[in-house]
Amino acid sequence: EPEVTQTPSHQVTQMGQEVILRCVPISNHLYFYWYRQILGQKVEFLVSFYNNEISEKSEIFDDQFSVERPDGSNFTLKIRSTKLEDSAMYFCASSETRAGYGYTFGSGTRLTVV
Amino acid sequence: RKEVEQDPGPFNVPEGATVAFNCTYSNSASQSFFWYRQDCRKEPKLLMSVYSSGNEDGRFTAQLNRASQYISLLIRDSKLSDSATYLCVVTSDSNYQLIWGAGTKLIIKP
Repeated sequence: EPEVTQTPSHQVTQMGQEVILRCVPISNHLYFYWYRQILGQKVEFLVSFYNNEISEKSEIFDDQFSVERPDGSNFTLKIRSTKLEDSAMYFCASSETRAGYGYTFGSGTRLTVV
Repeated sequence: RKEVEQDPGPFNVPEGATVAFNCTYSNSASQSFFWYRQDCRKEPKLLMSVYSSGNEDGRFTAQLNRASQYISLLIRDSKLSDSATYLCVVTSDSNYQLIWGAGTKLIIKP
């Protein structure tokens, strides 16, 4: 069964540093997403990406965040200057269509900002 | 008002029992509805989509009431492996994002 692959599985970074979280979506999927989950809290939408541009973003996704699809396979989330409150599990997902169907989530990157 | 509201839990249930989860959502424009399960520190996994006509998958039955903006999940003959957090999820107006409930933790006891 096709998978969404995320690397690294765990990243520890110092406050103020830049981090890049990487994802390889399923190859024939057209929509890509980042969600995050702070420990003990609900899953929150960050951004969706379609046709090489951001299609929607949440209030959380401020100027410190950016996404890129640098080649045909990778989809990255960059946090420019990490804060303690950025510590969370970050999930990448992809889907063939909108409307929520056929989502596949990666196993996540646990980001710890110290 | 929370966009997706669920029973806070945890539910402690003996093996073999039937357990019901309820969920309400605030956005009447939501078009798609789902139940996900999430094991501790793992990614959410789709359990089932929810349709107005109701749908069943083995021991799991989901119902949607659009008029009341209410979604339910019933698990019959619960197994130890059903222990997880159950997340109610709906789509946004645009359909680009999933909106998540906080989840209800289920603990099945032998």
